[in-house]
Amino acid sequence: AQKITQTQPGMFVQEKEAVTLDCTYDTSDQSYGLFWYKQPSSGEMIFLIYQGSYDEQNATEGRYSLNFQKARKSANLVISASQLGDSAMYFCAMRRWIARQLTFGSGTQLTVLP
Amino acid sequence: DTEVTQTPKHLVMGMTNKKSLKCEQHMGHRAMYWYKQKAKKPPELMFVYSYEKLSINESVPSRFSPECPNSSLLNLHLHALQPEDSALYLCASSLRTENTEAFFGQGTRLTVV
Repeated sequence: AQKITQTQPGMFVQEKEAVTLDCTYDTSDQSYGLFWYKQPSSGEMIFLIYQGSYDEQNATEGRYSLNFQKARKSANLVISASQLGDSAMYFCAMRRWIARQLTFGSGTQLTVLP
Repeated sequence: DTEVTQTPKHLVMGMTNKKSLKCEQHMGHRAMYWYKQKAKKPPELMFVYSYEKLSINESVPSRFSPECPNSSLLNLHLHALQPEDSALYLCASSLRTENTEAFFGQGTRLTVV
């Protein structure tokens, strides 16, 4: 079975600083995908970034980067230059190559302080 | 157009009511999903449709009935719900069911009274 662990229920960061949200996963599969989603209080799940298990380079999307350490089975999200609008719940998720559904972690509530 | 549109945004229904949630996407995605999310919890998968056919039903009670009339539309019919069914219901779609990202709608906040 696949499992995603996010050990930080809540995080605080000062505006304009960088923050790292932790995610570890457990799978015996060789091929899988890792995803990060942001969920503001409005409810919509916003796709942020994707990393494939065979991708050698860490994924980056604007201010978001994914620190992928395959041997440690970790896929941490780094947000640079935090903004007040980054305050939200962040979910790490994994999908096996042949599976249809995403398995989500428990989430991290990020609060950006002015 | 990278939107998944869900209607209504909010719904309050009695335990004897019948209502439907609607989800629409025009991205050419062939996989569509229903998730249920309780407050402060991650989304839980309910149903997966692949090429308009139901491919996964995660042991969801029969008071929830999904329908996929075409590749762009996904409905969730609700009947005789219980107060514990109150939650945020999220629809998502992806290009296929393999390793591609899923795009989510804004969700429908359902309250059963």
